[in-house]
Amino acid sequence: ETGVTQSPTHLIKTRGQQVTLRCSSQSGHNTVSWYQQALGQGPQFIFQYYREEENGRGNFPPRFSGLQFPNYSSELNVNALELDDSALYLCASNAGGGLDNEQFFGPGTRLTVL
Amino acid sequence: AQRVTQPEKLLSVFKGAPVELKCNYSYSGSPELFWYVQYSRQRLQLLLRHISRESIKGFTADLNKGETSFHLKKPFAQEEDSAMYYCVLHGSARQLTFGSGTQLTVLP
Repeated sequence: ETGVTQSPTHLIKTRGQQVTLRCSSQSGHNTVSWYQQALGQGPQFIFQYYREEENGRGNFPPRFSGLQFPNYSSELNVNALELDDSALYLCASNAGGGLDNEQFFGPGTRLTVL
Repeated sequence: AQRVTQPEKLLSVFKGAPVELKCNYSYSGSPELFWYVQYSRQRLQLLLRHISRESIKGFTADLNKGETSFHLKKPFAQEEDSAMYYCVLHGSARQLTFGSGTQLTVLP
C-alpha cells in the first residue's frame, strides 16, 4: 500500500503566473482534499473532491480550482498568483467521501511566489 | 461560521509531568472534533477523534459542549510526545477547520 504523494516538492513562480500542483491518493481512497498552510499557521481547507466532483469548498477565491481524475489522483490549479499564495500546499486522501473520516496527508508542495 | 482556537503556540513540560493542550471551538451545531499531530520530519497524522472516545499513546480528549472545549491531556508526558498538535473541527458539511497549532516540547 502506497501513501499519498505530491509533486513537485518545491516550486518558485512569479506574481501573475499560473501553477499546477499534483497529488496521488493513497491506494483505495476515493476522496482528496487540499489545504494551504502559511508559515506559522494551521492548514486551511481549500476544497475536497469525491468521485471527480467538488464536494466542499473553503473560503478561497475561484482562481483556486481543482480536478480529480478517474484514478483518484488530483490537481490543484492556482491562476494569477499573488505573493500571499506563498505557502505549503497539502493534499490528503481518505476513503468514504467525507471530511469526518481520517485524512491521510502527503508531504506537501512548498510554493514560493516572487 | 466555525472557528478553532489554540491559545498556546508553544508549551514546554518536563518528562513525567502532566500535559494539557487547550482547544476551544466556536460552532452552533454538533461538531466533530479531532486532534492531528505532526512529529518532526513526519507527515500530519490523526491522533484521536472525540467520537471514538479512546486513548491513543496515552492521550485522551473529552468534548465539553458547555465550555466548547476539546482539550488534549496526558498524565505523564514522554520525550517522544514532542510535536506540533492541531485541534480540528468538522462542523458544517464539507468544511474542516484547523487551529493554529501548539508546539509541545517535552524536556528530559
